[in-house]
Amino acid sequence: GEDVEQSLFLSVREGDSSVINCTYTDSSSTYLYWYKQEPGAGLQLLTYIFSNMDMKQDQRLTVLLNKKDKHLSLRIADTQTGDSAIYFCAESGGAGGTSYGKLTFGQGTILTVHP
Amino acid sequence: DGGITQSPKYLFRKEGQNVTLSCEQNLNHDAMYWYRQDPGQGLRLIYYSQIVNDFQKGDIAEGYSVSREKKESFPLTVTSAQKNPTAFYLCASSSGRWSDTQYFGPGTRLTVL
Repeated sequence: GEDVEQSLFLSVREGDSSVINCTYTDSSSTYLYWYKQEPGAGLQLLTYIFSNMDMKQDQRLTVLLNKKDKHLSLRIADTQTGDSAIYFCAESGGAGGTSYGKLTFGQGTILTVHP
Repeated sequence: DGGITQSPKYLFRKEGQNVTLSCEQNLNHDAMYWYRQDPGQGLRLIYYSQIVNDFQKGDIAEGYSVSREKKESFPLTVTSAQKNPTAFYLCASSSGRWSDTQYFGPGTRLTVL
């Protein structure tokens, strides 16, 4: 079945850039997502990228997709203490109907931003 | 305000009791989902529903049950058959088109005493 892998921890200094990486196995993925979760809260959609795109930029966020290597990354520029959270990548099911609307999530990367 | 609400935020249950978690959405979404979150394991899909009066098992449905009698509501019952029910439960919804984005509620933390 589909599998999504992320490193568990990332620590950066305030003002630096953060890069969170994700690998996935489903070559038929159509959309790939990044969600943010603050302590005790639900998941907040940050951004997503369609699988025929290489890059998407949205203010401080840059998503890079290497479809050949099945590698997705999220870069946060000028990281702030408020960016400390768990970040999940997720991929949507491919064509065929059986994966309708379902997302497969990675384990989440805990980002800690130090002043 | 459009969104997804879950209640209660915290729930305590004695072993052997069934408990029902509420999820309501006013986004006019067709599809709704229940996930379980345990530390370091990401989110695992329990049940999902693409349309009213229809639902399917996810990856870890054993010990859980759902109903979808109304478009806005998708309650989850954690039964006494669930061996390790203490977890954070998240509800989500999407418009239902293939590969559409899911939006999440604030979650319910269930603790079995």
